[in-house]
Amino acid sequence: DTEVTQTPKHLVMGMTNKKSLKCEQHMGHRAMYWYKQKAKKPPELMFVYSYEKLSINESVPSRFSPECPNSSLLNLHLHALQPEDSALYLCASSQEGQKLFFGSGTQLSVL
Amino acid sequence: GQQLNQSPQSMFIQEGEDVSMNCTSSSIFNTWLWYKQDPGEGPVLLIALYKAGELTSNGRLTAQFGITRKDSFLNISASIPSDVGIYFCAGLRSNTGKLIFGQGTTLQVKP
Repeated sequence: DTEVTQTPKHLVMGMTNKKSLKCEQHMGHRAMYWYKQKAKKPPELMFVYSYEKLSINESVPSRFSPECPNSSLLNLHLHALQPEDSALYLCASSQEGQKLFFGSGTQLSVL
Repeated sequence: GQQLNQSPQSMFIQEGEDVSMNCTSSSIFNTWLWYKQDPGEGPVLLIALYKAGELTSNGRLTAQFGITRKDSFLNISASIPSDVGIYFCAGLRSNTGKLIFGQGTTLQVKP
C-alpha cells in the first residue's frame, strides 16, 4: 500500500470559516508534509513533521495550523483565510530522508 | 530559495515521438526524483535515483542521475496520449527531508 489519503477532495470556505484538511497514511512513514500548490507551479513546502514533532515551518502564516495526532494522521486547520490562499493543498509522507509519496490533494477555494 | 532549472518549460509532440527533459542545479543532491502530475491530482512518483551515474528505467521511461550529482534527465520513448501532464524533477536533501522542485515541463501529445 503506497497510498496517502486526503479528505476532502474539494473545499469551499468563506474568510470567516474554520475548516480542517485531513491526511492519512499506513505505510509506517515517520515523516509527513504539507505542501501548497498554485496552478501550473511546483509544490511549495509548508510544514514537515518528523516522528510526530513539527520539524520545519516554512514561515507559514498562523492562519494555517498543522497537527499530527499520531504517526498515521496529519491535519491542517484553517481559520480566517484569504482569497489568495486558494490552492491545491498536498499531503505527503516518507521514510526519513527518502522519496516522498503524495496524496491526491484538497482543492481549496476561499471566497 | 534554491531552485532547480528544468527545461524545456513545455513540449507539444506527435504521438509516437520520444521526449527528453532535464534538470540542473547549482548544488549537489543525494537523490533525484521524477514526478508526473495530472490536473487536480497530486504528483505521482515515476522514478527515484540514488547514485551518481545511475540509469533507471520504468517501462517507457528512463532517467539518469548525473555524474556531478547536479543534474538529471528523463526520457520518454514512443509517447502516447496518456503521457500528457506536467513532469517535475525534484532534488532531495536527505539530512533535512526537503524536496526542491523544478518548475515543471508541460507535455502535450497530439494523437
